[in-house]
Formats: sequence, C-alpha cells, structure tokens
Amino acid sequence: DIQMTQSPSSLSASVGHRVTITCQASQDISNYLNWYQQKPGKAPKLLIYDASNLETGVPSRFSGSGSGTDFTFTISSLQPEDIATYFCQHYDNLPLTFGGGTKVEIK
Amino acid sequence: QVQLQQSGPGLVKPSQTLSLTCAISGDSVSSNSAAWNWIRQSPSRGLEWLGRTYYRSRWSNDYAVSVKSRITIKADTSKNQFSLQLNSVTPEDTAVYYCVRDRGCSSTRKCLYMDVWGKGTTVTVSS
Repeated sequence: DIQMTQSPSSLSASVGHRVTITCQASQDISNYLNWYQQKPGKAPKLLIYDASNLETGVPSRFSGSGSGTDFTFTISSLQPEDIATYFCQHYDNLPLTFGGGTKVEIK
Repeated sequence: QVQLQQSGPGLVKPSQTLSLTCAISGDSVSSNSAAWNWIRQSPSRGLEWLGRTYYRSRWSNDYAVSVKSRITIKADTSKNQFSLQLNSVTPEDTAVYYCVRDRGCSSTRKCLYMDVWGKGTTVTVSS
C-alpha cells in the first residue's frame, strides 16, 4: 500500500496569513492526488483534484501543487471559516489511502 | 444536485453483521462513469477506504485487503442505492462510516474524485 505522510499534524496561523501543508507519498503517484477539507462533525469535502485543479465553487485562496512523491497544499490568506482538518489522498492504485490530516487553527 | 442519504443502526454487537444503506438522489447507481464507495473514519485508523461498486457494462467490486474476507458492497438498481455489509465485527470496527460518490471522468485517463459524501453514520460495536 502507498503511505501518505502529511506534515505538520497541526498548525496555528493568524487570519490573513499564508498556510502551507505538505504531503509525501511513499512512491511515485504522478499527479493522482486529491485534497479534502473536513470541518468538525462533517464529512470531508473535495477541494483540489489531480494535485492542482480547484474543484468548482472552491475559493481561489486554496491551491495545490506537486507531482511524483511531493505535494503542497496552500491557503494564500487564512480565513476564520478555513478552520478544519485537511487531508491528502492518492488514487494511483488500490487501496486508496489518506494522509493523517493537518488540523488548522487560528492564532 | 447529487445527495447521498445513509441509513442503518448505530450499535452492533460483537461478532454480528454491520449493515448500512446509501440512497442516491440526483445520479444513478448504474452510472457508467461513477463509482460508489464506503469509507470509514476512526481516531485510531484515520480515514480508511473499505471498498466500492461500479457498473461498466457489468458490475464490479473492489475491496480493501484489510476487510476483504468480511465485506460485501452491493448495488440495488430498483431502489437506486448501494449497501455495505461487514461481518464478524469487533470493537475495532467502531467508526464513522461514509458512503461516497467518485464521479469519475468522461475520458479514458485515470481519475478518481470523491465529490459527494453522505453525512456519516457513527457505528459502535459493543455488547
């Protein structure tokens, strides 16, 4: 199985600041990577697909980049409503696996 | 828009069978591009993909190795829904269970986008 390692596991940043999360795959997954946002008590929501494509309706302050084994997720200007846990997920092969999550809080 | 409505018991006794159903509105379980997944989430295991069913001229299933001997995912075309059965449950199967649509894509390239999720069912395995 492909292991997805996310870092950091949690972070705290001020409103308006830039937030960056990394996700590393245990082997080359090309760009077969998605990012999800999960708010407390809710299901995950797809934000970014194919490593860098913004899902329809998702604010442009969210972005993703990378290919191969190293990926980055960025919130360009953190907003109060972005408080959530973010997950990466690969789909290069089965089983689909997720990163452990990054909990984002407001400082 | 597409919605998934989950139903099923929140408490299951050890060694018994966990059964959940996911009713689809706004799409068809027989779609030739979508796939229908079950994913669970627990503090100890995180988000864990369990398996999927999909129709491409015939029905197919894929299951995670960790549950392959105990799991069945079935589509019910008459009710436009799909179901999860997990046999011989233990307390380790305690989790929030989600049904999830992978919308797929129209081209032949590889794609997998889990864009619609049910609200989740908290299942506790306990006597």
